[in-house]
Amino acid sequence: DGGITQSPKYLFRKEGQNVTLSCEQNLNHDAMYWYRQDPGQGLRLIYYSQIVNDFQKGDIAEGYSVSREKKESFPLTVTSAQKNPTAFYLCASSIEGPGDANTGELFFGEGSRLTVL
Amino acid sequence: EDQVTQSPEALRLQEGESSSLNCSYTVSGLRGLFWYRQDPGKGPEFLFTLYSAGEEKEKERLKATLTKKESFLHITAPKPEDSATYLCAVQGGSQGNLIFGKGTKLSVKP
Repeated sequence: DGGITQSPKYLFRKEGQNVTLSCEQNLNHDAMYWYRQDPGQGLRLIYYSQIVNDFQKGDIAEGYSVSREKKESFPLTVTSAQKNPTAFYLCASSIEGPGDANTGELFFGEGSRLTVL
Repeated sequence: EDQVTQSPEALRLQEGESSSLNCSYTVSGLRGLFWYRQDPGKGPEFLFTLYSAGEEKEKERLKATLTKKESFLHITAPKPEDSATYLCAVQGGSQGNLIFGKGTKLSVKP
């Protein structure tokens, strides 16, 4: 089955620790995204990547880092610099990047819920 | 500033009771408006894309429409399995990233 796999589904972190969320896709999509979802708020873009070895900051990139060494993989690291990391994190992909047509159709993973203890 | 506002925040319906969800937007150069469905604890699932005023899309009991200022998601004779949060997003501006609304949580009781 083609799709996006996020892991882990649940993650607990102590303050001051970095954690990495995994995102893998087998849809052969060029673009990948990380969103953060908080209760009562819309999805907010953290980072996106349109091509291997290139990525762009979204609206709330501070305290996060990403890499795109392979087309299939786009891991997100939540660093200790992120002031309020407890949230639901969603990885998504699209056929082309956000500057191209027909790219609002995103395919999302099941999400990773991060809780800071 | 580009903005998306969804209303109501929550909607409770009886099975078979038709209604509509609203998505109002302000964006420079709309490229597309998108509807997603999100079940609790899951990632959103794409439903529809609308590109221009007057356009309509249908899928089972759902019908999405678009004007120059807003979109409606009409739900006809809903069933309990239609219960979910429905998200609206617009794509526009120079970067083309999606701007999401906060969603409408729909509950359909049998």
